[in-house]
Amino acid sequence: EAQVTQNPRYLITVTGKKLTVTCSQNMNHEYMSWYRQDPGLGLRQIYYSMNVEVTDKGDVPEGYKVSRKEKRNFPLILESPSPNQTSLYFCASSNRGTQYEQYFGPGTRLTVT
Amino acid sequence: GESVGLHLPTLSVQEGDNSIINCAYSNSASDYFIWYKQESGKGPQFIIDIRSNMDKRQGQRVTVLLNKTVKHLSLQIAATQPGDSAVYFCAENGGGSNYKLTFGKGTLLTVNP
Repeated sequence: EAQVTQNPRYLITVTGKKLTVTCSQNMNHEYMSWYRQDPGLGLRQIYYSMNVEVTDKGDVPEGYKVSRKEKRNFPLILESPSPNQTSLYFCASSNRGTQYEQYFGPGTRLTVT
Repeated sequence: GESVGLHLPTLSVQEGDNSIINCAYSNSASDYFIWYKQESGKGPQFIIDIRSNMDKRQGQRVTVLLNKTVKHLSLQIAATQPGDSAVYFCAENGGGSNYKLTFGKGTLLTVNP
């Protein structure tokens, strides 16, 4: 089944404790992206990648890191999480040529206390 | 920065009626506009997109209209069904050859049986 998977789905952590949210897609897509979704603010793009080893900032990259060492994986790293990073996070992927037809993962709900 | 907005945060319609969801954009450099649907507890799902060199595009039961003169985008859903109940987001790419997307805050569509 073609899909985007994220792990974990739910995470409660404390301020300053480094964490990684994994994202994997099995569709051989070139493009991948991370978003956060907050009430009243909609979806905001954090980082995106147009190919292996090619990443770039979205609208809200502060406090996040990403890497794209393999085509299928695009982990999101929070080196020192803070409470304002409490949010619902989505990973998405798409094909070159139809890059805006994104396939989204199920989401990761992160709470930082 | 420029952002994508929505005229109505909520829309309630009767089953079988047509629905129209509106979106205003302000970045005249955007050349792709996209509509996504998000059901409760799920990630967004691509519906349809339209390039700036078009003013209308039709899909299955959906039509997107683009009016560049007034920077307005709309999604029309024909014969709305209970399964159409969701939050609908418009998004724009801001122009350029990158993968940046800016989403609107969403409109909640409720379909009454």
